[in-house]
Amino acid sequence: QVHLQESGPGLMKPSETLSLTCTVSGGSMSNFYWSWIRQSPGKGLEWLGYIFYNGDTYYSPSLKSRITISLDTPQKQFSLQLRSVTAADTAVYYCARVSVVYRWFDPWGQGTLVTVSS
Amino acid sequence: QTVVTQEPSLTVSPGGTVTLTCASNTGAVTSGNYPTWFQQRPGQVPRSLIYSTNNKHSWTPARFSGSLLGGKAALTLSGVLPEDEADYYCLFYYGGVWVFGGGTKLTVL
Repeated sequence: QVHLQESGPGLMKPSETLSLTCTVSGGSMSNFYWSWIRQSPGKGLEWLGYIFYNGDTYYSPSLKSRITISLDTPQKQFSLQLRSVTAADTAVYYCARVSVVYRWFDPWGQGTLVTVSS
Repeated sequence: QTVVTQEPSLTVSPGGTVTLTCASNTGAVTSGNYPTWFQQRPGQVPRSLIYSTNNKHSWTPARFSGSLLGGKAALTLSGVLPEDEADYYCLFYYGGVWVFGGGTKLTVL
């Protein structure tokens, strides 16, 4: 059973760089995409981007200038960096696995709340 | 900018049938958009119900079904139960990029 767990700081200041890590347990990272999704308080879901196990990355156009997703296969982790955060980046951040063939998003991590406040 | 539009809210009676839809501002939704549907109950992590238009996971109740309908993606719930009250999100693929719909709040009343 594959399990994903996000980790990172819960509180940040504006203009800082958000760094989150998702640790994968119980399965291989090969032949999957590894995705980041967020949900602002009381709002809907937003796909941020994903990375293929070979390192290819795909980002939401609205965040492309600020986002980097990277992969550490030996550690079975993938990471999100979001630069120059503002209060609008306050959200629960989820990581999820994406099937290459069927394009399903499962499983998801439990999510981690990141608050951006001065 | 690609926008995916869902009904903001719908209400259904227990035992009834309801169809949620998702439209794309780029045109008709096709199987190439890999329409995906998620359920999110309050305080919970979203859970995938339907992927690639009409495929169910092992945990997806039989009363949920996905389809393409009139140029949109559709999620139909037949024989609705009180536990189906939740937010439902669709997700579409656009050649390397995914876009969520704004979500539908389904009330069972």
